[in-house]
Amino acid sequence: GAGVSQSPRYKVAKRGQDVALRCDPISGHVSLFWYQQALGQGPEFLTYFQNEAQLDKSGLPSDRFFAERPEGSVSTLKIQRTQQEDSAVYLCASSFRTSGRDTQYFGPGTRLTVL
Amino acid sequence: KQEVTQIPAALSVPEGENLVLNCSFTDSAIYNLQWFRQDPGKGLTSLLLIQSSQREQTSGRLNASLDKSSGRSTLYIAASQPGDSATYLCAAQGGADYKLSFGAGTTVTVRA
Repeated sequence: GAGVSQSPRYKVAKRGQDVALRCDPISGHVSLFWYQQALGQGPEFLTYFQNEAQLDKSGLPSDRFFAERPEGSVSTLKIQRTQQEDSAVYLCASSFRTSGRDTQYFGPGTRLTVL
Repeated sequence: KQEVTQIPAALSVPEGENLVLNCSFTDSAIYNLQWFRQDPGKGLTSLLLIQSSQREQTSGRLNASLDKSSGRSTLYIAASQPGDSATYLCAAQGGADYKLSFGAGTTVTVRA
């Protein structure tokens, strides 16, 4: 595919359930980012990967959030024991350079609703 | 921590009018400043990226300026069209890292 893809596009979870959100970056892109976007707000940084290495996870809200990119391509964001405050759109972005300091290409996002 | 503010939060103009969107940031030590467009239910589309050493960037009807010393960037959209209706977000990329710090966006409606 030509762009960043994310699945599922929509996820409804009951409070306390675990969820897994998938991101397929643009082929060959080294850097991968996860952002969380609350309604009416701009995206907030969650975590950053350079290939398979998670270089920064300072934006993850709690230890219930976990991200991985084991082979340096597809990434999964996992949220354990979901809470209502986790409801948001989760955006994935990738960029070509190892520095991550070039144009970031965003996927369509996964809208998570926790009931 | 970098704080990015966009004013106004919403803007409605008649077709053909020029648009001026403002973005301000608190930490001038940025690497670049990026403008994105977001359509409802969609991800972000990159519009323009201005390196910290540049003063402006242009793409078609879009022009973005950057004044690092005053912590401001402005996106100009000439001769607006209904298809320009969307939310426009600016984001500052830190001088010391790669994180994008976003504003909350300006939602633009262009009336036919």
